[in-house]
Amino acid sequence: GAVVSQHPSRVICKSGTSVKIECRSLDFQATTMFWYRQFPKQSLMLMATSNEGSKATYEQGVEKDKFLINHASLTLSTLTVTSAHPEDSSFYICSAYQGYEKLFFGSGTQLSVL
Amino acid sequence: AQKVTQAQTEISVVEKEDVTLDCVYETRDTTYYLFWYKQPPSGELVFLIRRNSFDEQNEISGRYSWNFQKSTSSFNFTITASQVVDSAVYFCALSEAGSSASKIIFGSGTRLSIRP
Repeated sequence: GAVVSQHPSRVICKSGTSVKIECRSLDFQATTMFWYRQFPKQSLMLMATSNEGSKATYEQGVEKDKFLINHASLTLSTLTVTSAHPEDSSFYICSAYQGYEKLFFGSGTQLSVL
Repeated sequence: AQKVTQAQTEISVVEKEDVTLDCVYETRDTTYYLFWYKQPPSGELVFLIRRNSFDEQNEISGRYSWNFQKSTSSFNFTITASQVVDSAVYFCALSEAGSSASKIIFGSGTRLSIRP
């Protein structure tokens, strides 16, 4: 099956710094990728839809200036958490849409902000 | 608006018991997809099944089976002869089909613990 690579798998950063998370579709082109956030023992909440070559679409309540999404190529979307704070600590997971309702997930990134 | 409800927050059974995870969904669309994903402690999402709204046939895959009933808007998941390795959080999810990528909405998940 298709593979989606997400990097890094774990990151610890200081409050106020920015962190970039990469999501790559390894064997298919994905014009659309999705970013989810998951707090401990909770469900995955959709943050935004990332479209190649255009601006991301953010879900209600998600700050677009806080969570910058760049989908510069058909195989790469990045999520940058700017000026991270402890409340941003969470598990972030991306998914890439291959078509015909086939969606593949990355392995997730555990962000810890000190 | 679409919604997925997994009323069972946590389930704990003894190994070899059968267990059913419930999923009830809401959608206005006549065409949609339902999913089940497994999330082990490592965090990644493991795809288990995708079912479109026009296919109400139940499915069996090894020890796993799924019961899709449109009349009750339910898509339940049964594990037969459970094993310790089945311990994980299981998510039911829904996407409304369209001409472009459709976002998936997840239920709140059911944490399944299989005791030896």
